[in-house]
Amino acid sequence: SQTIHQWPATLVQPVGSPLSLECTVEGTSNPNLYWYRQAAGRGLQLLFYSVGIGQISSEVPQNLSASRPQDRQFILSSKKLLLSDSGFYLCAWTGGTYGYTFGSGTRLTVV
Amino acid sequence: GESVGLHLPTLSVQEGDNSIINCAYSNSASDYFIWYKQESGKGPQFIIDIRSNMDKRQGQRVTVLLNKTVKHLSLQIAATQPGDSAVYFCAENRDRGSTLGRLYFGRGTQLTVWP
Repeated sequence: SQTIHQWPATLVQPVGSPLSLECTVEGTSNPNLYWYRQAAGRGLQLLFYSVGIGQISSEVPQNLSASRPQDRQFILSSKKLLLSDSGFYLCAWTGGTYGYTFGSGTRLTVV
Repeated sequence: GESVGLHLPTLSVQEGDNSIINCAYSNSASDYFIWYKQESGKGPQFIIDIRSNMDKRQGQRVTVLLNKTVKHLSLQIAATQPGDSAVYFCAENRDRGSTLGRLYFGRGTQLTVWP
């Protein structure tokens, strides 16, 4: 069966520090992968998507970047975090029977 | 930006009653819609989806209705239970005819079920 793993679950980082969030998918090949961010009390905003290794598209200009070094690995990064980067980050993939599947999310607090 | 919005940000119902959550979308090119349930601190969970060539789709205790004329989507939950308490989001896929699969979400509706 297909599963998606996302870590860490929570993260507290100081302003100006780097960031690396990782997402991996199991049980499928060549999935489309997505990073979403959710601010408190808001819906999900699409940040990046990838249709293959090394292929990254950005939806909104921001302080973040994404990479896909392997078929089932998607990484969200920042060189210097801002307070406004705080939020709930979700990885998702498509290709399964029930459409889009989300990971459990990472709660990032920038202090 | 967000083009999918919800009419009611909060909804409170009695256990056993039916719930209806509404959603409006603005992009007439969207051809696929999904309802998600999100519990506090967790990722969204797929509930039901519908394609634009359908008006209605039923699942277990849930029904999604799509009115393309007025660009309106609704989620009906029958015999609502306390475990249904969560935030519900509708999302649209505007990538008609492609496999990009990008989803655009509304703000969400908080459903609270009282015993």
